[in-house]
Amino acid sequence: EAQVTQNPRYLITVTGKKLTVTCSQNMNHEYMSWYRQDPGLGLRQIYYSMNVEVTDKGDVPEGYKVSRKEKRNFPLILESPSPNQTSLYFCASSLGGFLGYTFGSGTRLTVV
Amino acid sequence: GENVEQHPSTLSVQEGDSAVIKCTYSDSASNYFPWYKQELGKRPQLIIDIRSNVGEKKDQRIAVTLNKTAKHFSLHITETQPEDSAVYFCAVLTPSGTYKYIFGTGTRLKVLA
Repeated sequence: EAQVTQNPRYLITVTGKKLTVTCSQNMNHEYMSWYRQDPGLGLRQIYYSMNVEVTDKGDVPEGYKVSRKEKRNFPLILESPSPNQTSLYFCASSLGGFLGYTFGSGTRLTVV
Repeated sequence: GENVEQHPSTLSVQEGDSAVIKCTYSDSASNYFPWYKQELGKRPQLIIDIRSNVGEKKDQRIAVTLNKTAKHFSLHITETQPEDSAVYFCAVLTPSGTYKYIFGTGTRLKVLA
């Protein structure tokens, strides 16, 4: 089944403890992206990648890191999480061009 | 940079009526405009999209119209049903040669039985 897989689905952590949210797609998509969703603010792009080893900042990249060492994987790293990073995170991928995104099932992160 | 405004933020309609959600954008060079539906507790899913060289696109009960001159595009849902209740997001693909999507802030549609 074609899909974008995110893990974990839920995560509660403490301020400053490094964490990684994994994202993997099995559709051979070139483009991958991370979004955070907050009430009233919609979906805001954190980082995106147009190909292996090619990443770029979205609108809200502060406090996040990404890597794209393989085409299928695009992990999101929070080196020192803070409470304002409590949010619902979505990974998404696309074949590219004028094609929409396929979203993962989301990761609800709480930083206390 | 690109700015996307979506209205209304909430919309209630009677079952069987039509619903219209509108998005405006600022960059006249933007060239791709998808709409996503997000049901409660689920991921956003693409429901329809339109490119800048097309004025209207239909898929059964949903349609999207694009007015490039006025820089706005709209989602039209006819004969609404309870299962249409969800949050709808518009998005704009920025034409900068990268792959930056800008999403609207969402419209919560409630279809009243």
